[in-house]
Amino acid sequence: DGGITQSPKYLFRKEGQNVTLSCEQNLNHDAMYWYRQDPGQGLRLIYYSQIVNDFQKGDIAEGYSVSREKKESFPLTVTSAQKNPTAFYLCASSIVGARGRTNTEAFFGQGTRLTVV
Amino acid sequence: RKEVEQDPGPFNVPEGATVAFNCTYSNSASQSFFWYRQDCRKEPKLLMSVYSSGNEDGRFTAQLNRASQYISLLIRDSKLSDSATYLCVVTRNRDDKIIFGKGTRLHILP
Repeated sequence: DGGITQSPKYLFRKEGQNVTLSCEQNLNHDAMYWYRQDPGQGLRLIYYSQIVNDFQKGDIAEGYSVSREKKESFPLTVTSAQKNPTAFYLCASSIVGARGRTNTEAFFGQGTRLTVV
Repeated sequence: RKEVEQDPGPFNVPEGATVAFNCTYSNSASQSFFWYRQDCRKEPKLLMSVYSSGNEDGRFTAQLNRASQYISLLIRDSKLSDSATYLCVVTRNRDDKIIFGKGTRLHILP
């Protein structure tokens, strides 16, 4: 079945450590996104990528890094520079809409809950 | 002004009632519009796309008003299982960036 997979589902990190969250999709989507969600809050965009080897910062990129070496994979590293990393992280993918094309809906993975201990 | 704005609610509605919420967007060049549903501690899932002509899917009706830059979601004959957070989503035309509203919480009361 086609889909988008995030791992791990739960992750614990000690202060000062870097951790990497995995996101893989087999939907042949060009675009991939990372969002952060805090309790009772909306989704905030961290990074997004529309093509291999290229990515752009979202609204809250500080303390995070990404890579897009393969179309299927868009891992997110939460670095020690991120002062408050405890949150629910969601990865999504979508078709890149050609100009004038509509309905480029996003498909989400099940999310990773990161807790700093 | 935020790109996508929603009333956070919560909307507390008795079972069987009709409920409607709106979402406004600031970028007139926005391209695509969606409503997503998010259950507690789960990922968002697509509820329905929103077309210029409006569209209906069972008890759910979505409308787009480009002139006033808002989209709406109407839920008729609400069920307990409709309790969730409803996210308004807009795709920005110039770079296909997907922008989420913060969501509207809906509680259906028995």
